[in-house]
Amino acid sequence: EPEVTQTPSHQVTQMGQEVILRCVPISNHLYFYWYRQILGQKVEFLVSFYNNEISEKSEIFDDQFSVERPDGSNFTLKIRSTKLEDSAMYFCASSPHDIQYFGAGTRLSVL
Amino acid sequence: QKEVEQNSGPLSVPEGAIASLNCTYSDRVSQSFFWYRQYSGKSPELIMSIYSNGDKEDGRFTAQLNKASQYVSLLIRDSQPSDSATYLCAVKRGLQGAQKLVFGQGTRLTINP
Repeated sequence: EPEVTQTPSHQVTQMGQEVILRCVPISNHLYFYWYRQILGQKVEFLVSFYNNEISEKSEIFDDQFSVERPDGSNFTLKIRSTKLEDSAMYFCASSPHDIQYFGAGTRLSVL
Repeated sequence: QKEVEQNSGPLSVPEGAIASLNCTYSDRVSQSFFWYRQYSGKSPELIMSIYSNGDKEDGRFTAQLNKASQYVSLLIRDSQPSDSATYLCAVKRGLQGAQKLVFGQGTRLTINP
Protein backbone atom coordinates (compact mmCIF):
# COMPACT_ATOMS: atom_id res chain seq x y z
CA GLU A 1 0.00 0.00 0.00
CA PRO A 2 1.41 3.42 -0.93
CA GLU A 3 2.57 5.55 1.96
CA VAL A 4 3.99 8.96 2.71
CA THR A 5 7.69 8.67 3.49
CA GLN A 6 9.56 11.10 5.73
CA THR A 7 13.26 11.43 6.37
CA PRO A 8 15.06 11.59 8.67
CA SER A 9 13.06 9.97 11.44
CA HIS A 10 14.99 11.98 14.03
CA GLN A 11 17.00 15.15 13.53
CA VAL A 12 19.10 16.72 16.24
CA THR A 13 20.40 20.21 15.61
CA GLN A 14 21.92 23.16 17.40
CA MET A 15 19.90 26.33 17.90
CA GLY A 16 20.40 28.69 14.99
CA GLN A 17 21.19 25.96 12.49
CA GLU A 18 19.19 25.26 9.36
CA VAL A 19 17.35 21.98 8.91
CA ILE A 20 15.57 20.44 5.97
CA LEU A 21 12.88 17.88 6.56
CA ARG A 22 12.05 15.70 3.60
CA CYS A 23 8.86 14.04 2.48
CA VAL A 24 7.90 11.85 -0.44
CA PRO A 25 4.12 12.10 -0.84
CA ILE A 26 1.99 9.34 -2.29
CA SER A 27 2.28 9.27 -6.05
CA ASN A 28 -0.56 11.04 -7.88
CA HIS A 29 -1.62 13.00 -4.82
CA LEU A 30 -2.18 16.67 -5.54
CA TYR A 31 -2.24 18.34 -2.15
CA PHE A 32 0.58 18.43 0.36
CA TYR A 33 0.72 19.57 3.95
CA TRP A 34 3.05 20.03 6.86
CA TYR A 35 1.84 19.78 10.44
CA ARG A 36 3.71 19.82 13.70
CA GLN A 37 3.02 18.43 17.15
CA ILE A 38 4.87 19.71 20.17
CA LEU A 39 5.16 17.03 22.82
CA GLY A 40 1.90 16.68 24.73
CA GLN A 41 0.08 19.16 22.52
CA LYS A 42 -2.31 18.92 19.61
CA VAL A 43 -1.42 18.52 15.96
CA GLU A 44 -1.13 21.98 14.37
CA PHE A 45 -1.33 22.96 10.73
CA LEU A 46 1.70 24.71 9.28
CA VAL A 47 1.23 24.98 5.52
CA SER A 48 -0.60 23.54 2.54
CA PHE A 49 0.79 23.31 -0.99
CA TYR A 50 -0.95 22.79 -4.31
CA ASN A 51 0.02 23.31 -7.92
CA ASN A 52 3.57 24.26 -6.96
CA GLU A 53 2.62 27.04 -4.62
CA ILE A 54 1.55 27.63 -1.06
CA SER A 55 -2.23 27.52 -0.66
CA GLU A 56 -2.42 28.52 2.96
CA LYS A 57 -0.03 29.03 5.84
CA SER A 58 -0.63 29.38 9.54
CA GLU A 59 0.68 32.13 11.76
CA ILE A 60 3.27 29.63 12.99
CA PHE A 61 4.71 29.49 9.46
CA ASP A 62 6.75 32.68 9.64
CA ASP A 63 9.74 33.82 7.60
CA GLN A 64 12.05 31.17 9.03
CA PHE A 65 10.00 28.45 7.35
CA SER A 66 9.83 27.61 3.67
CA VAL A 67 8.55 24.73 1.57
CA GLU A 68 9.65 23.43 -1.78
CA ARG A 69 8.77 20.74 -4.22
CA PRO A 70 12.15 20.59 -5.94
CA ASP A 71 11.24 17.71 -8.24
CA GLY A 72 8.26 15.55 -9.05
CA SER A 73 8.47 13.49 -5.90
CA ASN A 74 10.00 15.34 -2.95
CA PHE A 75 8.34 17.93 -0.71
CA THR A 76 10.60 19.67 1.78
CA LEU A 77 10.22 21.88 4.82
CA LYS A 78 13.16 24.13 5.61
CA ILE A 79 13.63 25.87 8.92
CA ARG A 80 16.34 28.50 8.46
CA SER A 81 17.41 29.33 11.97
CA THR A 82 16.05 26.85 14.45
CA LYS A 83 14.88 27.85 17.89
CA LEU A 84 14.42 25.74 20.98
CA GLU A 85 10.65 26.02 20.58
CA ASP A 86 10.84 24.40 17.13
CA SER A 87 11.45 21.07 18.85
CA ALA A 88 8.47 18.94 17.84
CA MET A 89 7.28 16.10 15.62
CA TYR A 90 6.80 17.31 12.07
CA PHE A 91 4.32 15.41 9.96
CA CYS A 92 3.96 15.56 6.21
CA ALA A 93 0.60 14.63 4.71
CA SER A 94 -0.65 14.22 1.18
CA SER A 95 -4.12 13.97 -0.26
CA PRO A 96 -5.67 13.08 -3.61
CA HIS A 97 -8.59 15.33 -2.71
CA ASP A 98 -10.26 14.78 0.63
CA ILE A 99 -8.53 12.25 2.88
CA GLN A 100 -5.10 13.23 4.20
CA TYR A 101 -2.54 10.51 4.74
CA PHE A 102 0.24 11.16 7.18
CA GLY A 103 3.85 10.14 7.11
CA ALA A 104 5.57 8.64 10.15
CA GLY A 105 7.00 12.04 11.07
CA THR A 106 10.38 13.56 11.82
CA ARG A 107 11.25 14.25 15.41
CA LEU A 108 13.22 17.50 15.51
CA SER A 109 15.25 18.17 18.63
CA VAL A 110 16.82 21.63 18.90
CA LEU A 111 19.55 21.88 21.53
CA GLN B 1 -13.73 29.01 22.23
CA LYS B 2 -11.52 26.29 20.76
CA GLU B 3 -12.23 25.38 17.14
CA VAL B 4 -12.33 21.67 17.90
CA GLU B 5 -12.84 20.52 21.44
CA GLN B 6 -12.39 17.08 22.96
CA ASN B 7 -12.24 15.79 26.47
CA SER B 8 -8.57 14.94 26.95
CA GLY B 9 -9.38 12.01 29.22
CA PRO B 10 -7.98 9.60 30.10
CA LEU B 11 -11.01 7.47 29.31
CA SER B 12 -10.78 3.99 30.74
CA VAL B 13 -13.03 1.24 29.35
CA PRO B 14 -13.05 -2.50 30.11
CA GLU B 15 -12.23 -4.88 27.30
CA GLY B 16 -15.30 -5.83 25.31
CA ALA B 17 -17.26 -2.72 26.27
CA ILE B 18 -18.24 0.23 24.10
CA ALA B 19 -15.95 3.25 24.12
CA SER B 20 -17.63 6.57 23.36
CA LEU B 21 -15.55 9.54 22.25
CA ASN B 22 -16.97 12.99 21.72
CA CYS B 23 -15.99 16.14 19.87
CA THR B 24 -17.55 19.56 19.33
CA TYR B 25 -16.57 22.15 16.75
CA SER B 26 -17.20 25.85 16.52
CA ASP B 27 -17.47 26.62 12.79
CA ARG B 28 -20.97 25.91 11.49
CA VAL B 29 -19.85 25.86 7.85
CA SER B 30 -17.57 22.82 8.37
CA GLN B 31 -18.53 19.95 6.10
CA SER B 32 -15.90 17.25 6.55
CA PHE B 33 -15.04 15.48 9.77
CA PHE B 34 -12.45 12.86 10.58
CA TRP B 35 -11.36 10.59 13.38
CA TYR B 36 -7.70 9.67 13.56
CA ARG B 37 -6.00 7.31 15.96
CA GLN B 38 -2.54 8.13 17.26
CA TYR B 39 -0.38 5.70 19.18
CA SER B 40 2.25 7.23 21.41
CA GLY B 41 5.14 8.57 19.35
CA LYS B 42 3.46 7.69 16.06
CA SER B 43 1.62 9.61 13.37
CA PRO B 44 -2.15 10.06 13.04
CA GLU B 45 -3.87 7.17 11.29
CA LEU B 46 -7.28 7.67 9.71
CA ILE B 47 -10.13 5.63 11.19
CA MET B 48 -13.26 7.26 9.80
CA SER B 49 -14.50 10.17 7.78
CA ILE B 50 -18.06 11.49 7.96
CA TYR B 51 -19.77 14.20 5.96
CA SER B 52 -23.53 13.81 6.48
CA ASN B 53 -25.73 13.90 9.54
CA GLY B 54 -26.35 10.51 11.09
CA ASP B 55 -24.30 7.40 11.62
CA LYS B 56 -21.56 5.81 9.55
CA GLU B 57 -20.37 2.34 10.46
CA ASP B 58 -17.11 0.60 9.58
CA GLY B 59 -16.48 -2.65 11.38
CA ARG B 60 -16.34 -2.02 15.11
CA PHE B 61 -16.33 1.75 14.60
CA THR B 62 -19.33 4.05 14.23
CA ALA B 63 -19.02 7.76 13.62
CA GLN B 64 -21.97 10.02 14.39
CA LEU B 65 -22.47 13.55 13.15
CA ASN B 66 -24.98 16.15 14.25
CA LYS B 67 -24.35 19.41 12.40
CA ALA B 68 -27.15 21.26 14.20
CA SER B 69 -25.44 20.58 17.53
CA GLN B 70 -21.94 20.84 16.00
CA TYR B 71 -21.10 17.48 17.49
CA VAL B 72 -19.18 14.46 16.22
CA SER B 73 -18.69 11.21 18.09
CA LEU B 74 -16.93 7.91 17.65
CA LEU B 75 -18.14 4.64 19.14
CA ILE B 76 -15.83 1.66 19.38
CA ARG B 77 -17.67 -1.61 19.97
CA ASP B 78 -16.08 -4.69 21.53
CA SER B 79 -13.08 -2.63 22.67
CA GLN B 80 -9.73 -4.38 22.48
CA PRO B 81 -6.49 -3.56 24.34
CA SER B 82 -5.02 -2.66 20.93
CA ASP B 83 -7.56 0.19 20.73
CA SER B 84 -5.67 1.93 23.54
CA ALA B 85 -4.45 5.14 21.92
CA THR B 86 -5.22 8.84 21.61
CA TYR B 87 -8.16 9.56 19.33
CA LEU B 88 -8.04 12.82 17.40
CA CYS B 89 -11.09 14.58 16.05
CA ALA B 90 -10.34 16.75 13.02
CA VAL B 91 -12.40 19.19 11.01
CA LYS B 92 -11.54 20.36 7.53
CA ARG B 93 -11.25 24.11 7.06
CA GLY B 94 -10.06 26.57 4.49
CA LEU B 95 -10.05 27.16 0.76
CA GLN B 96 -11.62 24.53 -1.45
CA GLY B 97 -9.06 21.95 -2.45
CA ALA B 98 -6.07 22.29 -0.17
CA GLN B 99 -8.13 22.41 3.00
CA LYS B 100 -6.26 22.06 6.26
CA LEU B 101 -7.25 19.83 9.13
CA VAL B 102 -7.94 21.47 12.46
CA PHE B 103 -7.39 18.96 15.25
CA GLY B 104 -8.72 18.70 18.74
CA GLN B 105 -6.47 17.99 21.66
CA GLY B 106 -7.28 14.28 21.47
CA THR B 107 -8.85 11.87 23.95
CA ARG B 108 -6.56 9.28 25.50
CA LEU B 109 -8.34 5.94 25.62
CA THR B 110 -7.21 2.99 27.71
CA ILE B 111 -8.83 -0.43 27.31
CA ASN B 112 -8.37 -2.54 30.41
CA PRO B 113 -8.09 -6.32 29.89
